[in-house]
Amino acid sequence: DSGVTQTPKHLITATGQRVTLRCSPRSGDLSVYWYQQSLDQGLQFLIQYYNGEERAKGNILERFSAQQFPDLHSELNLSSLELGDSALYFCASSPSGPNEQFFGPGTRLTVL
Amino acid sequence: ILNVEQSPQSLHVQEGDSTNFTCSFPSSNFYALHWYRWETAKSPEALFVMTLNGDEKKKGRISATLNTKEGYSYLYIKGSQPEDSATYLCAFMKTSYDKVIFGPGTSLSVIP
Repeated sequence: DSGVTQTPKHLITATGQRVTLRCSPRSGDLSVYWYQQSLDQGLQFLIQYYNGEERAKGNILERFSAQQFPDLHSELNLSSLELGDSALYFCASSPSGPNEQFFGPGTRLTVL
Repeated sequence: ILNVEQSPQSLHVQEGDSTNFTCSFPSSNFYALHWYRWETAKSPEALFVMTLNGDEKKKGRISATLNTKEGYSYLYIKGSQPEDSATYLCAFMKTSYDKVIFGPGTSLSVIP
Protein backbone atom coordinates (compact mmCIF):
# COMPACT_ATOMS: atom_id res chain seq x y z
CA ASP A 1 0.00 0.00 0.00
CA SER A 2 1.60 3.24 -1.20
CA GLY A 3 -0.57 5.48 0.96
CA VAL A 4 -2.08 7.15 -2.12
CA THR A 5 -5.79 6.56 -2.60
CA GLN A 6 -7.84 6.97 -5.73
CA THR A 7 -11.58 6.81 -6.20
CA PRO A 8 -13.47 5.36 -7.86
CA LYS A 9 -11.64 2.19 -8.78
CA HIS A 10 -13.76 1.61 -11.87
CA LEU A 11 -15.94 3.98 -13.84
CA ILE A 12 -18.13 3.17 -16.82
CA THR A 13 -19.80 6.01 -18.64
CA ALA A 14 -21.03 7.09 -22.06
CA THR A 15 -19.54 9.32 -24.72
CA GLY A 16 -20.20 13.00 -24.16
CA GLN A 17 -20.39 12.65 -20.39
CA ARG A 18 -18.23 14.25 -17.71
CA VAL A 19 -16.49 12.46 -14.85
CA THR A 20 -14.34 13.40 -11.88
CA LEU A 21 -11.50 11.26 -10.60
CA ARG A 22 -10.24 11.85 -7.09
CA CYS A 23 -6.83 11.37 -5.54
CA SER A 24 -5.62 11.70 -1.96
CA PRO A 25 -1.84 11.90 -1.68
CA ARG A 26 0.33 10.37 1.02
CA SER A 27 0.37 12.34 4.24
CA GLY A 28 2.90 15.15 3.92
CA ASP A 29 3.37 14.93 0.16
CA LEU A 30 2.87 18.27 -1.56
CA SER A 31 3.11 17.15 -5.19
CA VAL A 32 0.41 15.31 -7.07
CA TYR A 33 0.87 13.94 -10.58
CA TRP A 34 -1.74 12.57 -12.98
CA TYR A 35 -0.96 9.98 -15.66
CA GLN A 36 -2.94 8.23 -18.35
CA GLN A 37 -2.24 4.73 -19.55
CA SER A 38 -4.19 3.77 -22.66
CA LEU A 39 -4.23 0.30 -24.19
CA ASP A 40 -0.77 -0.61 -25.48
CA GLN A 41 0.58 2.77 -24.47
CA GLY A 42 3.04 3.68 -21.76
CA LEU A 43 2.45 6.09 -18.94
CA GLN A 44 1.62 9.53 -20.32
CA PHE A 45 2.15 12.46 -17.99
CA LEU A 46 -0.86 14.74 -17.84
CA ILE A 47 -0.26 17.36 -15.17
CA GLN A 48 1.49 18.07 -11.86
CA TYR A 49 0.34 20.18 -8.93
CA TYR A 50 2.50 21.35 -6.08
CA ASN A 51 0.93 22.69 -2.90
CA GLY A 52 -2.19 23.80 -4.71
CA GLU A 53 -0.59 25.30 -7.81
CA GLU A 54 -0.08 23.86 -11.27
CA ARG A 55 3.63 23.15 -11.73
CA ALA A 56 4.02 21.22 -14.98
CA LYS A 57 1.77 20.29 -17.85
CA GLY A 58 2.07 17.39 -20.22
CA ASN A 59 -0.12 16.16 -23.03
CA ILE A 60 -3.36 17.03 -21.33
CA LEU A 61 -6.33 17.65 -23.59
CA GLU A 62 -8.31 20.87 -23.28
CA ARG A 63 -11.35 18.75 -22.33
CA PHE A 64 -9.44 17.66 -19.22
CA SER A 65 -8.74 19.82 -16.22
CA ALA A 66 -7.37 19.27 -12.75
CA GLN A 67 -7.00 21.05 -9.47
CA GLN A 68 -5.41 20.53 -6.07
CA PHE A 69 -7.34 21.66 -3.03
CA PRO A 70 -6.06 23.21 0.23
CA ASP A 71 -6.14 19.79 1.91
CA LEU A 72 -3.86 18.64 -0.96
CA HIS A 73 -6.27 16.14 -2.49
CA SER A 74 -6.62 16.48 -6.22
CA GLU A 75 -9.33 15.95 -8.79
CA LEU A 76 -9.04 15.27 -12.50
CA ASN A 77 -12.09 16.31 -14.50
CA LEU A 78 -12.69 14.73 -17.89
CA SER A 79 -15.46 16.18 -20.03
CA SER A 80 -17.05 15.52 -23.42
CA LEU A 81 -15.74 12.01 -23.11
CA GLU A 82 -14.76 10.09 -26.22
CA LEU A 83 -14.17 6.37 -26.72
CA GLY A 84 -10.44 7.05 -26.88
CA ASP A 85 -10.45 8.40 -23.34
CA SER A 86 -10.91 4.88 -22.03
CA ALA A 87 -7.76 4.24 -20.03
CA LEU A 88 -6.24 3.63 -16.64
CA TYR A 89 -5.66 6.92 -14.85
CA PHE A 90 -3.01 6.97 -12.17
CA CYS A 91 -2.34 9.55 -9.54
CA ALA A 92 1.03 9.72 -7.81
CA SER A 93 2.37 11.87 -5.00
CA SER A 94 5.80 12.84 -3.79
CA PRO A 95 7.46 15.20 -1.34
CA SER A 96 9.15 18.27 -2.81
CA GLY A 97 12.34 17.85 -4.82
CA PRO A 98 13.40 15.06 -7.17
CA ASN A 99 11.97 12.36 -4.92
CA GLU A 100 10.33 9.13 -5.99
CA GLN A 101 6.65 9.12 -6.75
CA PHE A 102 4.19 6.90 -4.93
CA PHE A 103 1.44 5.67 -7.19
CA GLY A 104 -2.17 5.07 -6.30
CA PRO A 105 -4.06 1.98 -7.46
CA GLY A 106 -5.50 3.78 -10.49
CA THR A 107 -9.01 4.43 -11.81
CA ARG A 108 -10.10 2.32 -14.78
CA LEU A 109 -12.31 4.50 -17.02
CA THR A 110 -14.39 2.85 -19.70
CA VAL A 111 -16.26 5.07 -22.15
CA LEU A 112 -18.99 3.26 -24.08
CA ILE B 1 10.86 16.98 -28.42
CA LEU B 2 12.11 15.08 -25.40
CA ASN B 3 12.40 11.36 -25.91
CA VAL B 4 13.17 8.68 -23.37
CA GLU B 5 14.00 5.30 -24.80
CA GLN B 6 14.47 1.93 -23.19
CA SER B 7 16.03 -1.21 -24.51
CA PRO B 8 15.41 -3.99 -24.96
CA GLN B 9 11.63 -3.84 -25.25
CA SER B 10 11.33 -7.29 -23.69
CA LEU B 11 13.60 -9.89 -22.24
CA HIS B 12 13.19 -13.55 -21.31
CA VAL B 13 15.85 -15.01 -19.03
CA GLN B 14 16.33 -18.19 -17.07
CA GLU B 15 16.18 -18.14 -13.30
CA GLY B 16 19.64 -17.37 -11.98
CA ASP B 17 20.76 -15.36 -15.01
CA SER B 18 21.93 -11.81 -14.55
CA THR B 19 20.56 -9.17 -16.86
CA ASN B 20 20.65 -5.47 -17.59
CA PHE B 21 18.55 -2.86 -19.38
CA THR B 22 19.23 0.60 -20.70
CA CYS B 23 17.40 3.89 -20.39
CA SER B 24 18.46 6.71 -22.74
CA PHE B 25 17.46 10.32 -22.19
CA PRO B 26 18.44 13.77 -23.48
CA SER B 27 21.86 14.67 -22.08
CA SER B 28 21.24 18.42 -21.87
CA ASN B 29 19.56 19.76 -18.71
CA PHE B 30 19.23 16.97 -16.19
CA TYR B 31 17.30 17.05 -12.92
CA ALA B 32 16.51 13.46 -12.02
CA LEU B 33 16.03 9.95 -13.31
CA HIS B 34 13.80 7.44 -11.60
CA TRP B 35 13.52 3.68 -12.05
CA TYR B 36 10.21 1.98 -11.33
CA ARG B 37 9.11 -1.63 -11.23
CA TRP B 38 5.61 -2.34 -12.48
CA GLU B 39 4.02 -5.71 -11.92
CA THR B 40 0.93 -6.74 -13.83
CA ALA B 41 -2.31 -5.56 -12.23
CA LYS B 42 -0.42 -3.41 -9.74
CA SER B 43 0.88 0.15 -9.64
CA PRO B 44 4.45 1.23 -10.41
CA GLU B 45 6.78 1.13 -7.41
CA ALA B 46 9.93 3.20 -7.18
CA LEU B 47 13.27 1.42 -7.18
CA PHE B 48 15.78 4.25 -7.40
CA VAL B 49 16.03 8.03 -7.61
CA MET B 50 19.21 9.18 -9.31
CA THR B 51 20.27 12.80 -9.42
CA LEU B 52 24.06 13.01 -9.82
CA ASN B 53 26.30 11.99 -12.67
CA GLY B 54 28.09 8.81 -11.65
CA ASP B 55 25.39 7.82 -9.14
CA GLU B 56 25.32 4.14 -8.34
CA LYS B 57 22.40 2.78 -6.32
CA LYS B 58 21.79 -0.72 -5.02
CA LYS B 59 18.84 -2.50 -3.46
CA GLY B 60 19.40 -6.20 -2.86
CA ARG B 61 20.12 -7.87 -6.20
CA ILE B 62 19.17 -4.80 -8.21
CA SER B 63 21.50 -1.92 -8.94
CA ALA B 64 21.59 1.10 -11.24
CA THR B 65 24.15 3.48 -12.65
CA LEU B 66 23.78 6.93 -14.17
CA ASN B 67 25.73 8.85 -16.81
CA THR B 68 24.15 12.27 -17.32
CA LYS B 69 26.85 13.49 -19.70
CA GLU B 70 26.06 10.83 -22.28
CA GLY B 71 22.41 10.45 -21.32
CA TYR B 72 21.98 6.88 -20.16
CA SER B 73 21.26 4.78 -17.11
CA TYR B 74 21.68 1.04 -16.68
CA LEU B 75 19.61 -1.22 -14.43
CA TYR B 76 21.20 -4.51 -13.44
CA ILE B 77 19.55 -7.54 -11.88
CA LYS B 78 21.86 -10.18 -10.49
CA GLY B 79 20.65 -13.77 -10.26
CA SER B 80 17.15 -13.14 -11.63
CA GLN B 81 14.26 -14.77 -9.80
CA PRO B 82 10.70 -15.41 -11.08
CA GLU B 83 9.43 -12.69 -8.75
CA ASP B 84 11.57 -10.18 -10.68
CA SER B 85 9.22 -10.61 -13.65
CA ALA B 86 7.75 -7.17 -14.28
CA THR B 87 8.03 -4.14 -16.51
CA TYR B 88 10.86 -1.81 -15.57
CA LEU B 89 10.28 1.85 -16.33
CA CYS B 90 12.61 4.80 -16.24
CA ALA B 91 11.32 8.35 -15.84
CA PHE B 92 13.27 11.49 -16.76
CA MET B 93 12.87 14.99 -15.37
CA LYS B 94 14.67 17.83 -17.11
CA THR B 95 13.90 20.37 -14.38
CA SER B 96 11.81 20.41 -11.26
CA TYR B 97 9.20 22.44 -13.14
CA ASP B 98 9.03 20.26 -16.21
CA LYS B 99 6.93 17.31 -17.16
CA VAL B 100 7.93 13.78 -16.20
CA ILE B 101 8.69 11.61 -19.21
CA PHE B 102 8.43 7.88 -18.81
CA GLY B 103 10.17 5.49 -21.15
CA PRO B 104 8.14 2.70 -22.78
CA GLY B 105 9.57 0.13 -20.37
CA THR B 106 11.44 -3.16 -20.56
CA SER B 107 9.30 -6.22 -19.91
CA LEU B 108 11.25 -8.91 -18.07
CA SER B 109 10.12 -12.52 -17.81
CA VAL B 110 12.15 -14.85 -15.62
CA ILE B 111 11.59 -18.49 -16.46
CA PRO B 112 11.87 -20.90 -13.51
